[in-house]
Amino acid sequence: QVQLQESGPGLVKPSETLSLTCTVSGDSISNSDWSWLRQPPGKGLEWVADLYSSGTTYYNPSLQTRVSMSVDTSKNQLSLKLRSVTAAETAMYYCARWIGGPTGWFDPWGQGTLVTVSS
Amino acid sequence: QSVLTQPPSVSGAPGQRVTISCTGGGSNIGAGYDVHWYQHLPGAAPKLLIFGTTNRPSGVPDRFSGSKSGISASLAITGLQADDEADYYCQSYDLSLTRIFGGGTKLTVL
Repeated sequence: QVQLQESGPGLVKPSETLSLTCTVSGDSISNSDWSWLRQPPGKGLEWVADLYSSGTTYYNPSLQTRVSMSVDTSKNQLSLKLRSVTAAETAMYYCARWIGGPTGWFDPWGQGTLVTVSS
Repeated sequence: QSVLTQPPSVSGAPGQRVTISCTGGGSNIGAGYDVHWYQHLPGAAPKLLIFGTTNRPSGVPDRFSGSKSGISASLAITGLQADDEADYYCQSYDLSLTRIFGGGTKLTVL
């Protein structure tokens, strides 16, 4: 079965770049489409980015100018970069497999990695 | 503020039936897009419960069911059990080209 594990620095300073990695096991990363999502403390979930198996990316319009998602097929890993972060972007960040096209769903998810934006 | 509106909390006694609503608008649920539901236990990965509005993934008990009417969708849980206590989230697609979520509902089993 597919399993995902996020990893990252835990603490990022305001205005700097947040960089996260998601390691996929149980299947080749090239076989599926993938997403990043996040959840600020006490708030709801927010979709961040998609990466199709074709290499095409889609980003939340509210983040589009600052976010990028990529894949390293040799390591079976996804990555997310978010530039110029603010304290409001303190959140649990999740990676997930995305199924069913633009109107589809996320399954499975990783357990998430907490990122705190603070000086 | 989430695009999809869910009640902050619901509760029920073991064995009872509860429903969780998810209300959107004409650019998402009302436009005919599917709704998906997730169960989230603290410290765990969110788990897919319902996909395509009414479908259960393999391994999800038939105590969980989904439905949709107009601009709203619902998740029903029958035969409530103690380990159903969790946060539940609905998700859909919006014509603004984004995936959208509800704010989440905390289910308490009394």
